[in-house]
Amino acid sequence: SQQGEEDPQALSIQEGENATMNCSYKTSINNLQWYRQNSGRGLVHLILIRSNEREKHSGRLRVTLDTSKKSSSLLITASRAADTASYFCATEKAAGNKLTFGGGTRVLVKP
Amino acid sequence: GAGVSQSPSNKVTEKGKDVELRCDPISGHTALYWYRQSLGQGLEFLIYFQGNSAPDKSGLPSDRFSAERTGGSVSTLTIQRTQQEDSAVYLCASSADRPRGGYTFGSGTRLTVV
Repeated sequence: SQQGEEDPQALSIQEGENATMNCSYKTSINNLQWYRQNSGRGLVHLILIRSNEREKHSGRLRVTLDTSKKSSSLLITASRAADTASYFCATEKAAGNKLTFGGGTRVLVKP
Repeated sequence: GAGVSQSPSNKVTEKGKDVELRCDPISGHTALYWYRQSLGQGLEFLIYFQGNSAPDKSGLPSDRFSAERTGGSVSTLTIQRTQQEDSAVYLCASSADRPRGGYTFGSGTRLTVV
């Protein structure tokens, strides 16, 4: 089974709105990462948050991590049509170990 | 090169044939990973190479699957006697020793077994 599970599985919003998706995981981790995937091909790394961090920002992206609840959230502010993609969370149990991915959230941003 | 390169980008093969998928990681990246993604699904870990250490093969679904990494660089994933359920996108990623910036993925090979 997947280590990370995203919620919701799909999300449809209007351009300009914020999009929030959540990720839950089961075991202790070293870090959690978020990736974006367009058109079912290669993934693009968005942001990495370590287990001792609680919040991280990158441009219009905001990621939070709550290790006590084993959960993370990704917020995309002021969404654009180009943000339409699938978003995956992935966890790394130990530094330099393999990433375990969740099932992803499909985001549709309507112009 | 500047990114992770995978070839071929698409492969159609007949059931029962063997296929080889190639991955050229970013130069200097010591870690290389293979994942598989079925349509509309998440990524399934297959195998992980880290430097000169023994590879982590725990994700390979059967003994028909094997992978090698020559000279710590290029990797080949081989699927013998392909089955229809092997149809998927096979993704390769590489990272530096301590992936502070995360993994860099290739564009994948879409394998269709007919």
